[in-house]
Amino acid sequence: GQNIDQPTEMTATEGAIVQINCTYQTSGFNGLFWYQQHAGEAPTFLSYNVLDGLEEKGRFSSFLSRSKGYSYLLLKELQMKDSASYLCAVRDRWRTGANNLFFGTGTRLTVIP
Amino acid sequence: SQTIHQWPATLVQPVGSPLSLECTVEGTSNPNLYWYRQAAGRGLQLLFYSVGIGQISSEVPQNLSASRPQDRQFILSSKKLLLSDSGFYLCAWSPSDGPSYEQYFGPGTRLTVT
Repeated sequence: GQNIDQPTEMTATEGAIVQINCTYQTSGFNGLFWYQQHAGEAPTFLSYNVLDGLEEKGRFSSFLSRSKGYSYLLLKELQMKDSASYLCAVRDRWRTGANNLFFGTGTRLTVIP
Repeated sequence: SQTIHQWPATLVQPVGSPLSLECTVEGTSNPNLYWYRQAAGRGLQLLFYSVGIGQISSEVPQNLSASRPQDRQFILSSKKLLLSDSGFYLCAWSPSDGPSYEQYFGPGTRLTVT
């Protein structure tokens, strides 16, 4: 099966940098996704990693180490609107059909002035 | 561009009543479709997925069912709701070919069973 761990909550200051970690255990890793979810809203896609290394997209970057079963999401120049839950999700090639994703419980980030 | 719609946005239903939630996708063809449930303070739980019309796979045993009567329509149903069915129900779609198959979520339906 899949096991995905993320910190439950984090707090950071506006303008700062925050790193949200995700560790996973899966038998057939085939991609890791990060989603942002504001309270009461649907998740929105942020990033995708399938190879080791860093993927940068504006203020957000995502890193993957497959050998360590580890990823992080890096948010720079934090803004108040970045207060949200950040969900780590893993795809497993051995799960049948439809490129299913398995989600962690998410990290609730609070940005303070 | 692709859009995904869900309705209703909110729903309050008594225990034992039936349920029908609808999801439609526009701007793409032959998408993979998914139903998730997110209980308060918990992660996203995959309930059903579909790779084509009439093709439904269930991830967890429960009193819910799903149907895909048309290529871009996905319906979640129940004959008798339980209190434990309360939650935020999300429909999602992904392209049926690569490279990353990221999933895109609809706005969700907040269901309260009383």
